[in-house]
Amino acid sequence: QQPVQSPQAVILREGEDAVINCSSSKALYSVHWYRQKHGEAPVFLMILLKGGEQKGHEKISASFNEKKQQSSLYLTASQLSYSGTYFCGTGVLIDSWGKLQFGAGTQVVVTP
Amino acid sequence: DTGVSQNPRHKITKRGQNVTFRCDPISEHNRLYWYRQTLGQGPEFLTYFQNEAQLEKSRLLSDRFSAERPKGSFSTLEIQRTEQGDSAMYLCASSRTSGGARNTDTQYFGPGTRLTVL
Repeated sequence: QQPVQSPQAVILREGEDAVINCSSSKALYSVHWYRQKHGEAPVFLMILLKGGEQKGHEKISASFNEKKQQSSLYLTASQLSYSGTYFCGTGVLIDSWGKLQFGAGTQVVVTP
Repeated sequence: DTGVSQNPRHKITKRGQNVTFRCDPISEHNRLYWYRQTLGQGPEFLTYFQNEAQLEKSRLLSDRFSAERPKGSFSTLEIQRTEQGDSAMYLCASSRTSGGARNTDTQYFGPGTRLTVL
């Protein structure tokens, strides 16, 4: 069962902040965040592991709440280059070692 | 690293024909994954290999789909008797696993092969 992402889409002005959420009904071991631009491959942003560790990539950071089986991606002081569709991929405890389940994505548009 | 490469990038075929896609992973990556992505959706897991062993297949992978990874290097995904519902982007990803904790490998994606079945 795929994780649920919210919101489905967000429009930002350059410099504004946004939060993207990823929720699972299953116990998670890891959450992987990717950004995909139109017609391109998904690009890895960061991975969060069971334990609530917060990791960052430039001005993009994320957190993992084990109790809620939820991860949040924080876009701070957004730049035009942040536009794209953001996917979370979840590693579920009961699944096999390599499998990730991806959400439907959150489309982010950053305008000047 | 030169990145994950996939060929062809686009494939248009008629319903009922067979198609084969190729994926070349990043050198020395021992895991290779196949995903399918349709418009407005995230990648859907199809199957993955560790070296030459196919460790898991999704229920989405019907009998018409087969994947191989001979010698643990490149991989091929074949779809027999294609149907219009097979139209999608087929993504390949690879990772290097140390064999330790689960689901923690960073998967690097290729550009995909876009299949259109007429």
